[in-house]
Amino acid sequence: EAQVTQNPRYLITVTGKKLTVTCSQNMNHEYMSWYRQDPGLGLRQIYYSMNVEVTDKGDVPEGYKVSRKEKRNFPLILESPSPNQTSLYFCASSFLNIRGGYGYTFGSGTRLTVV
Amino acid sequence: KQEVTQIPAALSVPEGENLVLNCSFTDSAIYNLQWFRQDPGKGLTSLLLIQSSQREQTSGRLNASLDKSSGRSTLYIAASQPGDSATYLCAVRGTGNQFYFGTGTSLTVIP
Repeated sequence: EAQVTQNPRYLITVTGKKLTVTCSQNMNHEYMSWYRQDPGLGLRQIYYSMNVEVTDKGDVPEGYKVSRKEKRNFPLILESPSPNQTSLYFCASSFLNIRGGYGYTFGSGTRLTVV
Repeated sequence: KQEVTQIPAALSVPEGENLVLNCSFTDSAIYNLQWFRQDPGKGLTSLLLIQSSQREQTSGRLNASLDKSSGRSTLYIAASQPGDSATYLCAVRGTGNQFYFGTGTSLTVIP
């Protein structure tokens, strides 16, 4: 089944303890992205990647890191989490548009709480 | 920068009614427009994808239209059911391959 898989689904951690949220897709998509969703603020893009070893900042990159060493994986790293990073996180992927228009496929989300 | 607006922010209708959700965008240079459904605390499920060259797409009781030149899309839901209650988001894909999301319409269908 074609899908984007995020892990973990739920995570409670303490301030300053490094964590990684994994994202993997099995559709051979070039484009991958991370979003956070907060009440009243909608979806905000954190980082995106157009292909292996190519990553760019989105609208709210502060406090986050990403890497794209393999096409299928795009982990989100919080080096020193703070309570304001408590949020619902989504990973998404898509083909790049070369000749046609492709849509987005989303993961199921990761609910992160930083105390 | 592309801006996507969804009106209304919230909508409540009795079961059985037909309804229309609106999405507008400021830059008509897009590859496609996608409608999503999101249940509380859950992921986004793709409902319909309309290419920039298309005028509409249909899936079951859902019909989405696109007027690229005027920067508008509508999602029509026929014979609404309580199970349709969710937040509906639209997203446009710009020609730079970026996606831009609206803030959503929260729909409640009252039995």
